[in-house]
Amino acid sequence: AQKVTQAQTEISVVEKEDVTLDCVYETRDTTYYLFWYKQPPSGELVFLIRRNSFDEQNEISGRYSWNFQKSTSSFNFTITASQVVDSAVYFCALSNSNFGNEKLTFGTGTRLTIIP
Amino acid sequence: DAGVIQSPRHEVTEMGQEVTLRCKPISGHDYLFWYRQTMMRGLELLIYFNNNVPIDDSGMPEDRFSAKMPNASFSTLKIQPSEPRDSAVYFCASSVGLAGGTAGTQYFGPGTRLLVL
Repeated sequence: AQKVTQAQTEISVVEKEDVTLDCVYETRDTTYYLFWYKQPPSGELVFLIRRNSFDEQNEISGRYSWNFQKSTSSFNFTITASQVVDSAVYFCALSNSNFGNEKLTFGTGTRLTIIP
Repeated sequence: DAGVIQSPRHEVTEMGQEVTLRCKPISGHDYLFWYRQTMMRGLELLIYFNNNVPIDDSGMPEDRFSAKMPNASFSTLKIQPSEPRDSAVYFCASSVGLAGGTAGTQYFGPGTRLLVL
């Protein structure tokens, strides 16, 4: 069975600080996909990134970056120079399908609050 | 392009009433998922469809819940009779089932906030 652990329930940082959200996963499959979603106060779930298990390159998108390490089964998410608009609940998720479809196993989420 | 569309956005009903939630997936997506989100249980997958066929309904909490997908552009989740413990946000999501690209990425609708009194 697969499992996603987001040990940080809540994080608060002052605006412009960097913050890292941790995600640790468990799976027996060799092919899997990892995702991050953002849920702002308005409630919708917004897709941020998808990473497959064969690609361990880190990715950067603006102020967002992701560090994927298979050796530690981690897929951490860093926000650089945080802004108030980054305040949200962030979910890490895992899929074991060959095509990345079917079920997503979600972590319990990390509530991030950016203090102005 | 239009995203996943859900209706209604908010629903308040009384215990015992029938509730029907509706979802229109993104055009061209062949997977559709229904989730429920509560503070206590987080995000739970209720059921998902592939090409309009239910694949896994093991997350449906009980017989009061049913879901249908009569065509590629419409799905319903029905609760009958509703109970206060069904109060939650219900999300619909869709994805495309092809290897590569964005395949496998689920795109979520805005959700339906259900309150059963």
